[in-house]
Amino acid sequence: GENVEQHPSTLSVQEGDSAVIKCTYSDSASNYFPWYKQELGKGPQLIIDIRSNVGEKKDQRIAVTLNKTAKHFSLHITETQPEDSAVYFCAADAGGTSYGKLTFGQGTILTVHP
Amino acid sequence: GAVVSQHPSRVICKSGTSVKIECRSLDFQATTMFWYRQFPKKSLMLMATSNEGSKATYEQGVEKDKFLINHASLTLSTLTVTSAHPEDSSFYICSASVGANVLTFGAGSRLTVL
Repeated sequence: GENVEQHPSTLSVQEGDSAVIKCTYSDSASNYFPWYKQELGKGPQLIIDIRSNVGEKKDQRIAVTLNKTAKHFSLHITETQPEDSAVYFCAADAGGTSYGKLTFGQGTILTVHP
Repeated sequence: GAVVSQHPSRVICKSGTSVKIECRSLDFQATTMFWYRQFPKKSLMLMATSNEGSKATYEQGVEKDKFLINHASLTLSTLTVTSAHPEDSSFYICSASVGANVLTFGAGSRLTVL
């Protein structure tokens, strides 16, 4: 089955700096790679996603890049703000007709210091 | 946008009792829902895939008799933790597919078994 590795496990930055979180996956059939933000005691919220036919996608301060050959994808947050502090999870689908079955990375605790 | 409502948000029960958690899609129909379990500071672990009108598909190692899943309508899936014990204490989260592998998550249910 799919295996998703996420690094780093913790990331501490100063407000205004950029943050980068990286993930690798094992199943070459995976086509969908979402990123979720989870605040304490809440469910994950989708912040950005990318599909295998695209190499990069950007939404304001957030961007995701995908390298299908190397099987890795990354989340980039620019101009970080204290409210960006949360746990971030990457995920990859099971490919084919998996209908939303995702495998999650281990999570990254992002702390943005004012 | 698509909203998934999960209830209750917190529940405390005595050892040996059963607890039911509901997951509702509020403004869309969800033929497929997913149930996850999350331990503190850990990632989401998929427990089972819930399919409307048919039996749930459980992940390896998940006891189907312990975690009963029912998906009787296109807007409601329920997870019943039967004969709960302290080791069942956890954060349970559901999600629903809104199409093309995109998932919307509920806010989660914190179960504490005394």
